[in-house]
Amino acid sequence: AQSVTQLGSHVSVSEGALVLLRCNYSSSVPPYLFWYVQYPNQGLQLLLKYTSAATLVKGINGFEAEFKKSETSFHLTKPSAHMSDAAEYFCAVTQNRDDKIIFGKGTRLHILP
Amino acid sequence: DTGVSQDPRHKITKRGQNVTFRCDPISEHNRLYWYRQTLGQGPEFLTYFQNEAQLEKSRLLSDRFSAERPKGSFSTLEIQRTEQGDSAMYLCASSSASGSSYNEQFFGPGTRLTVL
Repeated sequence: AQSVTQLGSHVSVSEGALVLLRCNYSSSVPPYLFWYVQYPNQGLQLLLKYTSAATLVKGINGFEAEFKKSETSFHLTKPSAHMSDAAEYFCAVTQNRDDKIIFGKGTRLHILP
Repeated sequence: DTGVSQDPRHKITKRGQNVTFRCDPISEHNRLYWYRQTLGQGPEFLTYFQNEAQLEKSRLLSDRFSAERPKGSFSTLEIQRTEQGDSAMYLCASSSASGSSYNEQFFGPGTRLTVL
């Protein structure tokens, strides 16, 4: 069964510092992987997706993630945090392109001034 | 606005009452998904439709839950005899399942249910 594990339910970084949110996946076949962001009182927004093309995926708002099959990881990074990045981030996986999405438990990102 | 819309945005009900939520997908999207998100957790899949056909239901969807998508357009999710454990955010998403590439699921703002 496919699943994702997000390490750290809360992560705090200083404004301007590197953001690193960790995600490991479990899947028996090459998966589709995603990062979603959820701002307070708003719906889920897709940040980026991996669909078996380039292993380094660039998304919106300066975020990127690298698919590492050997480590079964799909960590999310941003070189310089901004106050507006404070939100809940979800790593997610699906095995088939139109199938249900399996989400991790989420990581709340706090940005310190 | 041509995004996914959900109604109501908030619903407070007493235990034992029935509630119904509505989701309007993006126009011409043939797939519609329902997810549930409880506090501190990620969204969990409930069910999905392709057009009017309900193709999969999660074991989370007990007999008290029923979802429909008449005519393959909007969808309703009904919860009968609500329990406090049903308190959650109910999310709807839609996509256009076509072609050979991945089709993004677009999420609505959700309906927050509170059962007292």
